Amino acid sequence: ETGVTQTPRHLVMGMTNKKSLKCEQHLGHNAMYWYKQSAKKPLELMFVYNFKEQTENNSVPSRFSPECPNSSHLFLHLHTLQPEDSALYLCASSQGGEGSSGANVLTFGAGSRLTVL
Amino acid sequence: GQNIDQPTEMTATEGAIVQINCTYQTSGFNGLFWYQQHAGEAPTFLSYNVLDGLEEKGRFSSFLSRSKGYSYLLLKELQMKDSASYLCAVTDSNYQLIWGAGTKLIIKP
Repeated sequence: ETGVTQTPRHLVMGMTNKKSLKCEQHLGHNAMYWYKQSAKKPLELMFVYNFKEQTENNSVPSRFSPECPNSSHLFLHLHTLQPEDSALYLCASSQGGEGSSGANVLTFGAGSRLTVL
Repeated sequence: GQNIDQPTEMTATEGAIVQINCTYQTSGFNGLFWYQQHAGEAPTFLSYNVLDGLEEKGRFSSFLSRSKGYSYLLLKELQMKDSASYLCAVTDSNYQLIWGAGTKLIIKP
C-alpha cells in the first residue's frame, strides 16, 4: 500500500464517547500533520510532528490528543467532543520537516469524516 | 492578520478555459501552492510557484505576481473530471502554510 491511509473513513460518535483516528504513511516522510477541514473554511492546522516530536499545537482543545509512536503512524484520540467538532479530519505527511522549506509539498490522506451527535 | 482570498464557487463549460484567482496578504512569502480536491478525496498537489511568472503543466498553468500578492490557476480544455475544489496556500516567512477556503469548480456539459 502506498501514500497516506486514514481509518476510519467515517465516524459517528456521541459527546461522551472516546474514539481514535489513525493515519499511516508509506512514503518515508519525516513530518506528519493533522488538519481540520470544515465546509467553506480554510484548512486548520491542528498538530505537527517532525521526526516524531510534536512541534506545533495551534491552541487545539485538550479533547483532541495526538500520538505519534513512530515516523509512519499518527493517531488523533477524541474524547468528550462537541457537535461543532464535526468536520473532515485530514492527515498529511511531507518529506521535509514542517517549517524547513517553502517548497514542502504535503501528501494528504482522504480524511476521516467525523460526526458528533 | 494573514489572509488568502479566492472565489467560493465558479462554473465553466466542458472544453472551455477557466481562471481561478487567489490573492494573499501574508507575513513574508516563501512560495504558493495549488492543490486539487475532488469531493470525498484527498487534496493532491498541483503546482508550486516561488518566482514571478507562469508555470505550465499540461492543461494546467499557474501564475504568480509577488508584487501584487496575486496568483491564478488556469485550466484549459476543461473536462468533467476537473470538477473539484481548488485550494490556494502560501508559505509565509516562518514557513507556515496559510490556506484559502478553496474554490469549488463546477463543470457543465
